[in-house]
Amino acid sequence: AQTVTQSQPEMSVQEAETVTLSCTYDTSESNYYLFWYKQPPSRQMILVIRQEAYKQQNATENRFSVNFQKAAKSFSLKISDSQLGDTAMYFCAFMIAYSGAGSYQLTFGKGTKLSVIP
Amino acid sequence: DSGVTQTPKHLITATGQRVTLRCSPRSGDLSVYWYQQSLDQGLQFLIQYYNGEERAKGNILERFSAQQFPDLHSELNLSSLELGDSALYFCASGGTVGRGNYGYTFGSGTRLTVV
Repeated sequence: AQTVTQSQPEMSVQEAETVTLSCTYDTSESNYYLFWYKQPPSRQMILVIRQEAYKQQNATENRFSVNFQKAAKSFSLKISDSQLGDTAMYFCAFMIAYSGAGSYQLTFGKGTKLSVIP
Repeated sequence: DSGVTQTPKHLITATGQRVTLRCSPRSGDLSVYWYQQSLDQGLQFLIQYYNGEERAKGNILERFSAQQFPDLHSELNLSSLELGDSALYFCASGGTVGRGNYGYTFGSGTRLTVV
């Protein structure tokens, strides 16, 4: 079984500054995917960024980037130039890469509530 | 619009009652996943259907059941409702590696309040 841990229940950042959200996971799988999802007050779950475990290069999506450390089982999210619209709950999630049963459920962390302060 | 449609958006019902939540997956997606998001438990996987067949079960109570119909829409049935069942219920489609799309698309959720 996989576990995902987000050790920061709440964080805040000044507008235009940079913030890093932490995530660690535990798995015996060698190939998997990691995700960061954003859940704003509207409650919609929005995919922010994803990383394939077999890729050494860290994923980036505009102002969002990850620091993926496979050996350490760490997957942090960096948000640059923070904007008020980044205020949301952020969830780290894990998915195995191959399932013989064809089942690809996500295992989520408990989330980090990020507030961007004007 | 994510392409995944969930109805209703809000539901208020009394303890002991039964409700049905509906989900229409994104066009072309054969898999439907149901998740429950409660304040104390976070997002928990309930059950998955693939092309009409149950594929995986997570932390789903015996009072809960689901099915997927030939047109691929899915329904989650919650019965003998308790106050603790109050939560946001998400449906997601996708998650099929072979299709080259290993991410999910979530619906906007159904907010269930049991009073």
